[in-house]
Amino acid sequence: DVKVTQSSRYLVKRTGEKVFLECVQDMDHENMFWYRQDPGLGLRLIYFSYDVKMKEKGDIPEGYSVSREKKERFSLILESASTNQTSMYLCASSFSETQYFGPGTRLLVL
Amino acid sequence: AQSVTQLDSHVSVSEGTPVLLRCNYSSSYSPSLFWYVQHPNKGLQLLLKYTSAATLVKGINGFEAEFKKSETSFHLTKPSAHMSDAAEYFCVVSGSGSARQLTFGSGTQLTVLP
Repeated sequence: DVKVTQSSRYLVKRTGEKVFLECVQDMDHENMFWYRQDPGLGLRLIYFSYDVKMKEKGDIPEGYSVSREKKERFSLILESASTNQTSMYLCASSFSETQYFGPGTRLLVL
Repeated sequence: AQSVTQLDSHVSVSEGTPVLLRCNYSSSYSPSLFWYVQHPNKGLQLLLKYTSAATLVKGINGFEAEFKKSETSFHLTKPSAHMSDAAEYFCVVSGSGSARQLTFGSGTQLTVLP
């Protein structure tokens, strides 16, 4: 079974804090993705990576950055958290088209 | 560019009755199409996918979807709803980029009444 894990299920941070969300997959997948999920908007792609140290912007990259130093790990960074970044964050990995998702991190920024 | 429209944000059915969740897509090429399901406080799980083979695709838990190119639709159906089907369902289309990025619909919340 493919396993995608995320470091936290719930996170509470203050405005202006630097926030790290970690994602690890155990299937040697080339591609990894970060989405945010908001009610009524579905999932929106923030960033993705198709190889180690490679990254590309998704549809809503503003206010976020990413890091992929090892194939199995993909980190999402909020350099200075803001209240409008309160959301559910989902990580996924894939080899071809089918993406496998982690359980999500619900982030609250106060 | 591709896009997905889920025609109903909420669908309510009685247990044992059929389920129909509607999805239309737009794409400039022949896309792959997916349905994912998300149960409360869980990640997304793949229900089924269409990749240009048979137009009627069978998935897990008794769900199936039919690809209709002329109507640009990919509706999800199940003959008889079960209480455990209550969840949010997402229709998804793949892109043509290097990592085959996905574009998600806005979701349909399915409620199953006893």
